[in-house]
Amino acid sequence: EAQVTQNPRYLITVTGKKLTVTCSQNMNHEYMSWYRQDPGLGLRQIYYSMNVEVTDKGDVPEGYKVSRKEKRNFPLILESPSPNQTSLYFCASSFLSAGVGSPLHFGNGTRLTVT
Amino acid sequence: AQTVTQSQPEMSVQEAETVTLSCTYDTSESDYYLFWYKQPPSRQMILVIRQEAYKQQNATENRFSVNFQKAAKSFSLKISDSQLGDAAMYFCAYRDDRGSNYQLIWGAGTKLIIKP
Repeated sequence: EAQVTQNPRYLITVTGKKLTVTCSQNMNHEYMSWYRQDPGLGLRQIYYSMNVEVTDKGDVPEGYKVSRKEKRNFPLILESPSPNQTSLYFCASSFLSAGVGSPLHFGNGTRLTVT
Repeated sequence: AQTVTQSQPEMSVQEAETVTLSCTYDTSESDYYLFWYKQPPSRQMILVIRQEAYKQQNATENRFSVNFQKAAKSFSLKISDSQLGDAAMYFCAYRDDRGSNYQLIWGAGTKLIIKP
């Protein structure tokens, strides 16, 4: 089944404790991205990747890191989480070759709480 | 910069009736795509419908259709014969290839309540 797998689904942590949210897709998509969803703000892009070893900042990258060592995986790393990073996070992927009309496929989301 | 506005934080409709969700956007581009995504309580983001700006014909997907007014920069979603399973947050989103990040620009969402 074609899907974007994101783990964990829920995560509670404390300020400053490094964490990683994993994302993997099995559709051979070139494009992958991370969004955070906050009430009243919709979704905002954190980082994106156009292909292996090609990553760049989105609109709200502060406090986050990513890597793209393999085409299928795009982990989101919070080196020193803070309470303002409490949010719902989504990983998404799509084909680049099909252009901007290619719909994004989303993972099931990770609810992160930083205390 | 491109923006997307959903002016209705919440809408309610009687089961089996029709409801229209509003979305306006701002862009200086001529070629772009518009999307409606549904987010049920399960949190999953589900594509409902998409529209290419160059196509004049409004997109339809079963009970879901859009009213795309390019000059007015309006992209409303009509849900016919509303069902209980339609209850969700609905997000309007915009995407073009300007720049290089291919990101979706999202509205704040509209919560749709279906009354049985």
